[in-house]
Amino acid sequence: DSGVTQTPKHLITATGQRVTLRCSPRSGDLSVYWYQQSLDQGLQFLIHYYNGEERAKGNILERFSAQQFPDLHSELNLSSLELGDSALYFCASSQGQVSDTQYFGPGTRLTVL
Amino acid sequence: AQKITQTQPGMFVQEKEAVTLDCTYDTSDPSYGLFWYKQPSSGEMIFLIYQGSYDQQNATEGRYSLNFQKARKSANLVISASQLGDSAMYFCAPLWPRGGGADGLTFGKGTHLIIQP
Repeated sequence: DSGVTQTPKHLITATGQRVTLRCSPRSGDLSVYWYQQSLDQGLQFLIHYYNGEERAKGNILERFSAQQFPDLHSELNLSSLELGDSALYFCASSQGQVSDTQYFGPGTRLTVL
Repeated sequence: AQKITQTQPGMFVQEKEAVTLDCTYDTSDPSYGLFWYKQPSSGEMIFLIYQGSYDQQNATEGRYSLNFQKARKSANLVISASQLGDSAMYFCAPLWPRGGGADGLTFGKGTHLIIQP
């Protein structure tokens, strides 16, 4: 158990819908990263938050957004869902320094029908 | 452009043998970090080992060690005395320093390791 929690574990929804994925980092960690793992794209970095502020964006679509709250939990919002958004979404947390190890949550498996 | 290559899509290894998983990368930056993660069939991503580009010694963590050759830009993972539970996908993931390292990990395509009894 990495100490990072993600909810829900599975999510099934329809095209055009909006969903919210939630992540709670390990106690004491200030950084939260979001990643997407799909069969065709592999594992891709989406976005990074540090202590409530956005630090970097990766291959995140405009239909996707995220935020980190004062209690440091984070949410990833996915809207106007398409079939191709079906993937495993991971949240990872680290203490916040550049070389700190990122510990991954169990992931949320999103299926868009 | 920085890139990461794992050349072995799949490997079969006999239990108790040592196994080496290859990882090469391309960067002109002198400072970076290299992580290895394991993803069993259950799906979670498990951190295994880390090597900093300026570290003088090769990293070791229990049965895992890194054969880090900076000049050749390779960071191969060595698993000694393999066990059935080592069967999983293994990802090499550099952390490049652009953006102060805030850009997240870049993952290779992974190697699917199967340990046979």
